[in-house]
Amino acid sequence: GDSVTQMEGPVTLSEEAFLTINCTYTATGYPSLFWYVQYPGEGLQLLLKATKADDKGSNKGFEATYRKETTSFHLEKGSVQVSDSAVYFCALSPLLIIQGAQKLVFGQGTRLTINP
Amino acid sequence: NAGVTQTPKFRVLKTGQSMTLLCAQDMNHEYMYWYRQDPGMGLRLIHYSVGEGTTAKGEVPDGYNVSRLKKQNFLLGLESAAPSQTSVYFCASSLSAKHTGNTIYFGEGSWLTVV
Repeated sequence: GDSVTQMEGPVTLSEEAFLTINCTYTATGYPSLFWYVQYPGEGLQLLLKATKADDKGSNKGFEATYRKETTSFHLEKGSVQVSDSAVYFCALSPLLIIQGAQKLVFGQGTRLTINP
Repeated sequence: NAGVTQTPKFRVLKTGQSMTLLCAQDMNHEYMYWYRQDPGMGLRLIHYSVGEGTTAKGEVPDGYNVSRLKKQNFLLGLESAAPSQTSVYFCASSLSAKHTGNTIYFGEGSWLTVV
């Protein structure tokens, strides 16, 4: 079945460091790919998405490119801030929509802490 | 800017008690979902609804029931709570499911502890 694997956390970086959180997936065809972020005590917010191969999603300085050949959607940011401390979830939306409902498949999440 | 609202935010239950989590969305979304979040496991789909009056099972439906009597509301019920249902519950909604790139909007979560 469809699945998402994220790099294990927690990840701790210093402010202004470069960030990469790895995400690979297994799915039939070409699913849509998402990164969601969960700040402490809050719900999930969509950070960025890509709906087809070679698309790059970007938001708030974060980027991720849909790589079909490596089935990956790694999250990157050039210079992280303390406010980026959160849990990051990679997710996919399977190509096959059953009964018209779009159901996300999530990775296990990566906790990121940025120290000043 | 209400979006997706869940109540209650926190609840402690005793084993065997029942309760209902309420989800309300004000975006006129057709599709609604209930997920649970457990440490190291990401989010897993419990039940979902493709429209008013319809519900369907997700990945982990056992021990839960749902109802969608009104388009804007999606209720998640625990008839006889068990410690294994201690989790954070997230409601979500989306406008359409005609293609896989639709954004799904999440509520802020409900923390449930069963003792």
